[in-house]
Amino acid sequence: ETGVTQTPRHLVMGMTNKKSLKCEQHLGHNAMYWYKQSAKKPLELMFVYSLEERVENNSVPSRFSPECPNSSHLFLHLHTLQPEDSALYLCASSREEQGYEQYFGPGTRLTVT
Amino acid sequence: SQQGEEDPQALSIQEGENATMNCSYKTSINNLQWYRQNSGRGLVHLILIRSNEREKHSGRLRVTLDTSKKSSSLLITASRAADTASYFCATERMDSSYKLIFGSGTRLLVRP
Repeated sequence: ETGVTQTPRHLVMGMTNKKSLKCEQHLGHNAMYWYKQSAKKPLELMFVYSLEERVENNSVPSRFSPECPNSSHLFLHLHTLQPEDSALYLCASSREEQGYEQYFGPGTRLTVT
Repeated sequence: SQQGEEDPQALSIQEGENATMNCSYKTSINNLQWYRQNSGRGLVHLILIRSNEREKHSGRLRVTLDTSKKSSSLLITASRAADTASYFCATERMDSSYKLIFGSGTRLLVRP
C-alpha cells in the first residue's frame, strides 16, 4: 500500500505467549517507528530508530522489546502482555527522523486474551 | 498534555460539499502534518506544512497554518464518499526531536 509492510495483520495471543511483530520498509528510509493506537486515544509513539540505533523510548513497559537489525526491518517482540495492550500497532518510516513525513504500514491488530 | 487537538471531533456532510477541519497546538513547531486513516488501517500522509509557510495546496486539499494562533486548518473541496475517513494533525515540536505528536482526529462522513 505505501511501501511499508507489516506482518501479521491480525494476532490473538494469551498473556503468557511470546510473539513478534514484523515491519519492513522498501523506501530506503533511515528512520523507523512503532506506534500504538488504542480505541478513543491518540496515536502513541513507542519507539524510534534512526540508522538502526534507538533514539527514543517513550517509557514503554519492558514487555515490549524492539529490534532493528537493519534500516529496512523493525521488529516488536511481545512477552507477557496484558489485555489492555490490545490495540492496533502501526509501523512507520521516514527519510530522516526529523522534518519529513512518515509512511505507515497497514498495522497489526493485536488482541490479548 | 495533548499537542494537537482537532475540531470538530466528527463531521457529516453531503457529497460535493466542502469539509473544513481545524487543529490547535500548544508549543512552537518545526512543521505540521495532516494524515488520513480509513477504519482500522494505516495512516496516509496528506500534506506537510513547515512553520515558515502559511498555505499549501495538494489537489482538492488546502492547508493553512497560523503560527501566531498556533492553529491549522484542512479544507477538502468537492468532497467524495471516498473521503470518508478519520483525519489527524500531527506536530513536530521544535523542542523535541524524533516525535510527531498526533491529535485525536476528526471523523469525516461524506454521504453519497
